[in-house]
Amino acid sequence: NAGVTQTPKFQVLKTGQSMTLQCAQDMNHNSMYWYRQDPGMGLRLIYYSASEGTTDKGEVPNGYNVSRLNKREFSLRLESAAPSQTSVYFCASSERAQGQGGNTIYFGEGSWLTVV
Amino acid sequence: GEDVEQSLFLSVREGDSSVINCTYTDSSSTYLYWYKQEPGAGLQLLTYIFSNMDMKQDQRLTVLLNKKDKHLSLRIADTQTGDSAIYFCAERAVDSSYKLIFGSGTRLLVRP
Repeated sequence: NAGVTQTPKFQVLKTGQSMTLQCAQDMNHNSMYWYRQDPGMGLRLIYYSASEGTTDKGEVPNGYNVSRLNKREFSLRLESAAPSQTSVYFCASSERAQGQGGNTIYFGEGSWLTVV
Repeated sequence: GEDVEQSLFLSVREGDSSVINCTYTDSSSTYLYWYKQEPGAGLQLLTYIFSNMDMKQDQRLTVLLNKKDKHLSLRIADTQTGDSAIYFCAERAVDSSYKLIFGSGTRLLVRP
């Protein structure tokens, strides 16, 4: 009963290094999301993928790239990390279905990233 | 554009009721959500309400929605120390992305 799994959980990077955050969901959801959470600012959407094969920018996409590898997996890449990207990153997924149920978005447990 | 606002902090005594408030700007929002985040953990969906409802009750949780004032509240009855967490209000975007717009979170502290 994994739900949304993201790795790594913790990472320290030097300025200018690159890394990829991995995310996978086992709920057969169509839509996937990457959010970042900073103190006092709630969650802000970085990128999302409404369905397999599509990706779109969210509120704060600069400095990031994403890949929707298949229906299950959605990765977030930092090409050249900056201290401003120190944050907690959350992957999420939802079933893009019409009708009742609230189209609940399910979250992973978060990845704590520090850029020094 | 869409925006969601919440007060930052609430402190209550154990056993009292807690009321966490939220305002949102997009009157065409269809679903509104409450999420709970415990320290060092991800977000856990507590409950949601569809915009054609005024109230939804789920055990100790009561959600009230005032569409005219674009105001959403979460009432926790008989608040326990385990309820101490950050509570996020969120509205679902009205475009086809189904993404959520989050408030900045209300930190609830329950005093013994």
